[in-house]
Amino acid sequence: QVQLVQSGSELKKPGASVKVSCKASGYTFSTYAMNWVRQAPGQGLEWMGWINTNTGNPTYAQGFTGRFVFSLDTSVSTAYLQISSLKAEDTAVYYCARGILLDPTVTTDYWGQGTLVTVSS
Amino acid sequence: SSELTQDPAVSVALGQTVRITCQGDSLRSYYASWYQQKPGQAPVLVIYGKNSRPSGIPDRFSGSSSGSTASLTITGAQAEDEADYYCNSRDSSGNHVVFGGGTKLTVL
Repeated sequence: QVQLVQSGSELKKPGASVKVSCKASGYTFSTYAMNWVRQAPGQGLEWMGWINTNTGNPTYAQGFTGRFVFSLDTSVSTAYLQISSLKAEDTAVYYCARGILLDPTVTTDYWGQGTLVTVSS
Repeated sequence: SSELTQDPAVSVALGQTVRITCQGDSLRSYYASWYQQKPGQAPVLVIYGKNSRPSGIPDRFSGSSSGSTASLTITGAQAEDEADYYCNSRDSSGNHVVFGGGTKLTVL
């Protein structure tokens, strides 16, 4: 069965970096796009962008350029989200979500369990 | 601010029908997808495309669209349907994705 398993919670100081992993199983990794979605505490969902798992080409939403990097290790079917120069406002749950073939960015059929990143001094 | 607008909260009596709406200009050109999120859990896809349900989603969930408004209808709401519901679609440029602000559904 399809599973996306994310790395565990992180507590980081402002200015530090964090790398969140999303390990996929149960399907051919390079066939389906991977999206990243942020949810700040008590807030709604925010699309961060997506990465083409076949080409490795990332696309970033407005507000997620510069400090945010999507990457892949296809040898272990894993997608990564790295955030640098962390700020308190980056505190959120970060989700990876698999895009369906017909509409890989709008429609995501499997989600990871989420990774809580807390930025605090 | 989101390009997709949802009512913050909606309530429905147990067993009754409720419609949750999502408004935005991009919906005139693109379908919305709908997600259910319960506290402490990841979102779950419930409706996508014209009116498609993923495997395992009860048929009491349905979707429709008219003009700039997409709707999620729950026919015969159950207690377990109490959750936050989010729509998403493409933004006005068509290149990126935007989520609505979410609707908290209470089943009375």
